[in-house]
Amino acid sequence: QKEVEQNSGPLSVPEGAIASLNCTYSDRGSQSFFWYRQYSGKSPELIMFIYSNGDKEDGRFTAQLNKASQYVSLLIRDSQPSDSATYLCAVPNNAGNMLTFGGGTRLMVKP
Amino acid sequence: DARVTQTPRHKVTEMGQEVTMRCQPILGHNTVFWYRQTMMQGLELLAYFRNRAPLDDSGMPKDRFSAEMPDATLATLKIQPSEPRDSAVYFCASGQTGGDQPQHFGDGTRLSIL
Repeated sequence: QKEVEQNSGPLSVPEGAIASLNCTYSDRGSQSFFWYRQYSGKSPELIMFIYSNGDKEDGRFTAQLNKASQYVSLLIRDSQPSDSATYLCAVPNNAGNMLTFGGGTRLMVKP
Repeated sequence: DARVTQTPRHKVTEMGQEVTMRCQPILGHNTVFWYRQTMMQGLELLAYFRNRAPLDDSGMPKDRFSAEMPDATLATLKIQPSEPRDSAVYFCASGQTGGDQPQHFGDGTRLSIL
Protein backbone atom coordinates (compact mmCIF):
# COMPACT_ATOMS: atom_id res chain seq x y z
CA GLN A 1 0.00 0.00 0.00
CA LYS A 2 1.30 3.41 -0.95
CA GLU A 3 1.76 5.88 1.89
CA VAL A 4 -0.44 8.50 0.24
CA GLU A 5 -3.21 7.47 -2.15
CA GLN A 6 -5.24 9.58 -4.52
CA ASN A 7 -7.59 8.69 -7.33
CA SER A 8 -5.82 9.72 -10.49
CA GLY A 9 -9.04 10.82 -12.19
CA PRO A 10 -9.79 12.66 -14.30
CA LEU A 11 -12.56 14.08 -12.16
CA SER A 12 -14.90 16.04 -14.37
CA VAL A 13 -17.33 18.58 -12.91
CA PRO A 14 -19.45 21.29 -14.51
CA GLU A 15 -18.65 24.92 -13.91
CA GLY A 16 -20.22 26.16 -10.69
CA ALA A 17 -20.36 22.73 -9.06
CA ILE A 18 -18.46 21.52 -6.01
CA ALA A 19 -15.36 19.48 -6.75
CA SER A 20 -14.39 16.97 -4.08
CA LEU A 21 -10.86 15.58 -4.06
CA ASN A 22 -9.85 12.86 -1.65
CA CYS A 23 -6.60 11.56 -0.22
CA THR A 24 -5.89 8.72 2.17
CA TYR A 25 -2.69 8.16 4.09
CA SER A 26 -1.19 5.24 5.95
CA ASP A 27 0.70 6.79 8.88
CA ARG A 28 -1.62 7.44 11.81
CA GLY A 29 1.01 9.69 13.34
CA SER A 30 0.83 12.27 10.55
CA GLN A 31 -0.01 15.69 11.93
CA SER A 32 0.01 18.08 8.99
CA PHE A 33 -1.38 17.83 5.50
CA PHE A 34 -0.85 19.89 2.39
CA TRP A 35 -2.67 20.37 -0.88
CA TYR A 36 -0.77 21.50 -3.96
CA ARG A 37 -2.19 22.53 -7.31
CA GLN A 38 -0.20 21.86 -10.47
CA TYR A 39 -1.23 23.31 -13.80
CA SER A 40 -0.06 21.50 -16.90
CA GLY A 41 3.55 22.40 -17.60
CA LYS A 42 3.94 24.26 -14.32
CA SER A 43 5.33 23.49 -10.89
CA PRO A 44 3.29 22.43 -7.85
CA GLU A 45 1.90 25.38 -5.92
CA LEU A 46 0.84 25.19 -2.27
CA ILE A 47 -2.82 26.11 -1.88
CA MET A 48 -3.94 24.74 1.49
CA PHE A 49 -2.62 23.13 4.63
CA ILE A 50 -4.46 21.68 7.61
CA TYR A 51 -3.26 20.44 10.98
CA SER A 52 -6.41 19.83 13.01
CA ASN A 53 -9.40 17.58 12.59
CA GLY A 54 -12.32 19.27 10.98
CA ASP A 55 -12.62 21.87 8.27
CA LYS A 56 -10.43 24.73 7.21
CA GLU A 57 -11.80 27.25 4.75
CA ASP A 58 -9.91 29.64 2.49
CA GLY A 59 -12.05 31.38 -0.08
CA ARG A 60 -13.60 28.77 -2.36
CA PHE A 61 -11.36 26.05 -0.93
CA THR A 62 -12.14 23.90 2.10
CA ALA A 63 -9.78 21.27 3.45
CA GLN A 64 -11.31 18.55 5.58
CA LEU A 65 -9.31 16.28 7.85
CA ASN A 66 -10.41 13.10 9.56
CA LYS A 67 -7.48 11.57 11.40
CA ALA A 68 -9.47 8.63 12.72
CA SER A 69 -10.30 7.55 9.19
CA GLN A 70 -6.95 8.74 7.82
CA TYR A 71 -8.26 10.83 5.01
CA VAL A 72 -8.01 14.41 3.98
CA SER A 73 -10.12 16.03 1.33
CA LEU A 74 -10.22 19.26 -0.62
CA LEU A 75 -13.52 20.82 -1.66
CA ILE A 76 -13.63 23.49 -4.31
CA ARG A 77 -16.89 25.43 -4.35
CA ASP A 78 -18.18 27.23 -7.43
CA SER A 79 -15.63 25.42 -9.60
CA GLN A 80 -14.19 27.44 -12.44
CA PRO A 81 -12.48 26.26 -15.64
CA SER A 82 -9.34 27.90 -14.23
CA ASP A 83 -9.41 25.31 -11.43
CA SER A 84 -8.65 22.60 -13.98
CA ALA A 85 -5.34 21.18 -12.83
CA THR A 86 -3.81 18.25 -11.00
CA TYR A 87 -4.17 18.40 -7.23
CA LEU A 88 -1.49 16.74 -5.12
CA CYS A 89 -1.91 15.71 -1.51
CA ALA A 90 1.26 15.71 0.63
CA VAL A 91 1.81 14.18 4.04
CA PRO A 92 4.94 14.14 6.24
CA ASN A 93 6.74 10.80 6.22
CA ASN A 94 7.18 8.57 9.26
CA ALA A 95 10.27 10.44 10.38
CA GLY A 96 8.53 13.77 9.94
CA ASN A 97 11.40 15.24 7.96
CA MET A 98 9.99 15.31 4.45
CA LEU A 99 6.73 15.20 2.56
CA THR A 100 5.35 12.21 0.73
CA PHE A 101 3.24 13.16 -2.26
CA GLY A 102 0.28 11.31 -3.64
CA GLY A 103 0.05 10.66 -7.34
CA GLY A 104 -2.38 13.53 -7.82
CA THR A 105 -5.95 13.83 -9.05
CA ARG A 106 -6.58 15.53 -12.34
CA LEU A 107 -9.58 17.85 -12.17
CA MET A 108 -11.41 19.09 -15.24
CA VAL A 109 -14.01 21.82 -14.87
CA LYS A 110 -16.17 22.09 -17.96
CA PRO A 111 -17.79 25.39 -18.93
CA ASP B 1 7.50 37.07 -3.12
CA ALA B 2 10.50 34.87 -2.40
CA ARG B 3 10.91 32.10 -4.94
CA VAL B 4 13.02 29.06 -5.60
CA THR B 5 15.06 29.72 -8.73
CA GLN B 6 16.09 26.95 -11.07
CA THR B 7 18.33 27.07 -14.11
CA PRO B 8 18.21 26.23 -16.92
CA ARG B 9 14.47 26.14 -17.58
CA HIS B 10 14.96 23.89 -20.58
CA LYS B 11 17.80 21.65 -21.66
CA VAL B 12 18.12 19.51 -24.76
CA THR B 13 21.26 17.46 -25.22
CA GLU B 14 22.50 14.21 -26.67
CA MET B 15 22.87 11.07 -24.68
CA GLY B 16 26.22 10.67 -23.03
CA GLN B 17 26.57 14.36 -22.28
CA GLU B 18 26.87 15.77 -18.77
CA VAL B 19 23.90 17.76 -17.51
CA THR B 20 24.04 20.13 -14.58
CA MET B 21 20.93 21.66 -13.06
CA ARG B 22 21.09 24.43 -10.49
CA CYS B 23 18.80 25.62 -7.75
CA GLN B 24 18.79 28.66 -5.50
CA PRO B 25 16.56 27.97 -2.49
CA ILE B 26 14.50 30.62 -0.75
CA LEU B 27 16.66 32.64 1.63
CA GLY B 28 16.33 31.27 5.14
CA HIS B 29 15.16 27.83 4.09
CA ASN B 30 17.42 25.07 5.37
CA THR B 31 15.99 22.08 3.50
CA VAL B 32 16.36 21.44 -0.22
CA PHE B 33 14.73 18.67 -2.23
CA TRP B 34 15.28 17.44 -5.77
CA TYR B 35 12.35 15.74 -7.52
CA ARG B 36 11.88 14.19 -10.93
CA GLN B 37 8.45 14.16 -12.53
CA THR B 38 7.28 12.08 -15.45
CA MET B 39 3.83 11.21 -16.68
CA MET B 40 4.29 7.59 -15.71
CA GLN B 41 5.94 7.95 -12.30
CA GLY B 42 4.62 11.22 -10.97
CA LEU B 43 6.80 13.09 -8.48
CA GLU B 44 9.81 11.07 -7.36
CA LEU B 45 12.12 12.29 -4.61
CA LEU B 46 15.74 12.05 -5.72
CA ALA B 47 17.66 13.78 -2.93
CA TYR B 48 17.16 15.78 0.24
CA PHE B 49 19.48 18.16 2.02
CA ARG B 50 19.19 19.73 5.43
CA ASN B 51 21.58 22.49 6.43
CA ARG B 52 23.55 21.60 3.27
CA ALA B 53 24.11 18.00 4.42
CA PRO B 54 22.72 15.21 2.23
CA LEU B 55 20.25 13.21 4.29
CA ASP B 56 18.54 11.01 1.77
CA ASP B 57 19.49 10.21 -1.80
CA SER B 58 18.03 6.74 -1.92
CA GLY B 59 15.80 7.68 -4.83
CA MET B 60 18.70 8.66 -7.01
CA PRO B 61 20.56 6.34 -9.42
CA LYS B 62 24.01 6.53 -7.86
CA ASP B 63 25.96 5.46 -10.89
CA ARG B 64 25.11 8.52 -12.93
CA PHE B 65 23.43 11.07 -10.67
CA SER B 66 25.03 13.25 -8.05
CA ALA B 67 23.65 16.04 -5.89
CA GLU B 68 25.59 18.62 -3.96
CA MET B 69 25.07 21.78 -2.03
CA PRO B 70 28.32 23.76 -2.17
CA ASP B 71 26.80 26.63 -0.20
CA ALA B 72 23.50 27.67 1.31
CA THR B 73 22.43 29.50 -1.84
CA LEU B 74 23.18 26.80 -4.40
CA ALA B 75 22.17 23.20 -4.91
CA THR B 76 23.22 21.22 -7.96
CA LEU B 77 22.04 18.01 -9.58
CA LYS B 78 24.32 16.40 -12.14
CA ILE B 79 23.76 13.55 -14.55
CA GLN B 80 26.80 11.98 -16.17
CA PRO B 81 26.46 10.31 -18.59
CA SER B 82 22.89 11.22 -19.49
CA GLU B 83 20.51 8.72 -21.06
CA PRO B 84 17.19 9.17 -22.92
CA ARG B 85 15.32 7.68 -19.94
CA ASP B 86 16.47 10.66 -17.88
CA SER B 87 14.17 12.90 -19.89
CA ALA B 88 11.77 14.46 -17.38
CA VAL B 89 11.04 17.64 -15.50
CA TYR B 90 13.34 18.13 -12.53
CA PHE B 91 12.04 20.24 -9.68
CA CYS B 92 13.89 21.74 -6.79
CA ALA B 93 11.95 22.64 -3.64
CA SER B 94 12.99 24.29 -0.41
CA GLY B 95 11.49 24.59 3.03
CA GLN B 96 12.23 24.80 6.71
CA THR B 97 12.94 21.92 9.04
CA GLY B 98 9.93 20.09 10.36
CA GLY B 99 7.30 17.74 9.05
CA ASP B 100 4.72 20.46 9.47
CA GLN B 101 6.47 22.78 7.06
CA PRO B 102 5.49 22.98 3.39
CA GLN B 103 7.89 22.83 0.48
CA HIS B 104 8.02 25.55 -2.11
CA PHE B 105 8.84 24.54 -5.65
CA GLY B 106 10.90 26.16 -8.36
CA ASP B 107 9.67 26.30 -11.95
CA GLY B 108 11.61 23.20 -12.88
CA THR B 109 14.10 22.20 -15.56
CA ARG B 110 12.59 20.40 -18.53
CA LEU B 111 15.26 17.99 -19.69
CA SER B 112 15.26 16.15 -23.00
CA ILE B 113 17.98 13.64 -23.78
CA LEU B 114 18.12 12.70 -27.45
